[in-house]
Amino acid sequence: DIVLTQSPVLAVSLGQRATISCRASQSVSISSINLMHWYQQKPGQQPKLLIYRASNLASGIPARFSGSGSGTDFTLTIDPVQADDIAAYYCQQSRESPTFGGGTKLELK
Amino acid sequence: QIQLVQSGPELKKPGESLKISCKASGYTFTDYAMQWVKQAPGKGLQYMGWINTQTGKPTYADDFKERFVFSLETSASTAYLQINNLKNEDTATYFCARGPGVMDAWGQGASVTVSS
Repeated sequence: DIVLTQSPVLAVSLGQRATISCRASQSVSISSINLMHWYQQKPGQQPKLLIYRASNLASGIPARFSGSGSGTDFTLTIDPVQADDIAAYYCQQSRESPTFGGGTKLELK
Repeated sequence: QIQLVQSGPELKKPGESLKISCKASGYTFTDYAMQWVKQAPGKGLQYMGWINTQTGKPTYADDFKERFVFSLETSASTAYLQINNLKNEDTATYFCARGPGVMDAWGQGASVTVSS
């Protein structure tokens, strides 16, 4: 299985930039297509797709969210962070049998 | 709009079985796979596997190859997750999600509590 590693917690101030990283144990890219996706989950709710294939904004997601990366290293950026963005964020790969990262909880500093 | 609506919370005893439903609407059911994800209390997301909605063939992740069964009722645009011989560690919220690969729509989750 491809293991995805995320930092458990990231503390940020409102209006600042948040950078959430995800590292894969092996490449999740095929022919320049990066099969990494990002989700937001608030307490008591289902996850919501934010970014698909590393850098594509899902429908209805604000432009302050962006994604980048390739191979084994990926980043979700939120700029600027708003109060509504306080949540857990998960990366997920679909290069092989899907796996999720452990999640990063975004907290206020 | 695309919706996945799951069945309600369940309270079961160890050794019992249950079946969770996931009813899809707003799209052609057989155009997309259905995936299942487990979230234990206070924990992260764990991929359980998926079912091909055209052929009915299920594929299970390694941790879910025993006691777990994915099925369909295509005429009702509904997918099911059955868990047999329930154990305390099955206590979790179970999500269905449209796929394959990227999960672009999710059910609201079905809470399962297993306790004697």
